Amino acid sequence: DIQMTQSPSSVSASVGDRVTITCRASQNISNWLAWYQQKPGKAPKLLIYAASSLQSGVPSSFSGSGSGTDFTLAISSLQPEDFATYYCQQANSFPPTFGQGTKVEIK
Amino acid sequence: EVQLVESGGGLVKPGGSLRLSCAASGFTFSPYSMNWVRQAPGKGLEWVSYISSSSRYIIYADSVKGRFTISRDNAKNLLYLQMSSLRAEDTAVYYCVRVVPAADYMDVWGKGTTVTVSS
Repeated sequence: DIQMTQSPSSVSASVGDRVTITCRASQNISNWLAWYQQKPGKAPKLLIYAASSLQSGVPSSFSGSGSGTDFTLAISSLQPEDFATYYCQQANSFPPTFGQGTKVEIK
Repeated sequence: EVQLVESGGGLVKPGGSLRLSCAASGFTFSPYSMNWVRQAPGKGLEWVSYISSSSRYIIYADSVKGRFTISRDNAKNLLYLQMSSLRAEDTAVYYCVRVVPAADYMDVWGKGTTVTVSS
C-alpha cells in the first residue's frame, strides 16, 4: 500500500495568515492526489483533486501543487471557517490511502 | 440536491452483525462507483470497501476482508455494507462516498452513521 505522510500534524495560525500543508507519498503517484477538509462532527469535503484542480464551489484561497511524491496545500489568507482538519489522499492505486491529517487551529 | 444518507448504525456486541444502508438521491446513482470509508473516534480516515457501478468489481481493505460484504441495488438507489464478526476496532463513523468517474477521488460524502462494538 502507498503510505501518505502529512506535515505538520497541527499548525496554529491567525486569521489572514498563509498556511501550507505538505503531503508526501511513499512512491510516485504522478498527480493522483486529493485534499479534503473536515470540520468537527462533519463529513470530509473534497477541496482539490488531481493535485491542483479546485473542486467546484471551493474558494480560490485554496490551492494545491506538486507531483510525483511531494505535494502542498496552501491557504492564502486563512478565514475563520477554514479552521479544520485537512487530509490528503492518493488515488494512484488501490487501496486509496489517506494522510494522518493536519489540524489547523486558531492561534 | 445531491445527497447520500446512511442508516443502520448502532451498538453491537463483539462477534455480532450489522447492516448499513446508504440512500442516494439528487443524482443518477447507477453509473457511479461507491466507497465506504470509516473514521474511528479521534482518528483519521480509512477506506473500507469499493463497488463498481455494475457490482462487477468489489474490493475490500485487508482489515475487513472476509467479514464485510458490500452490495448495491441500482433500481432502488441503495448501497449496503453487511458487517459480521464485528470487533472493537470496527467502532467508527461509517461514511458512504461517491467516487469520481475514471478516478478514485471521493466527491460526495454522506453524514455518516456510527457503529459501536462493545460488550
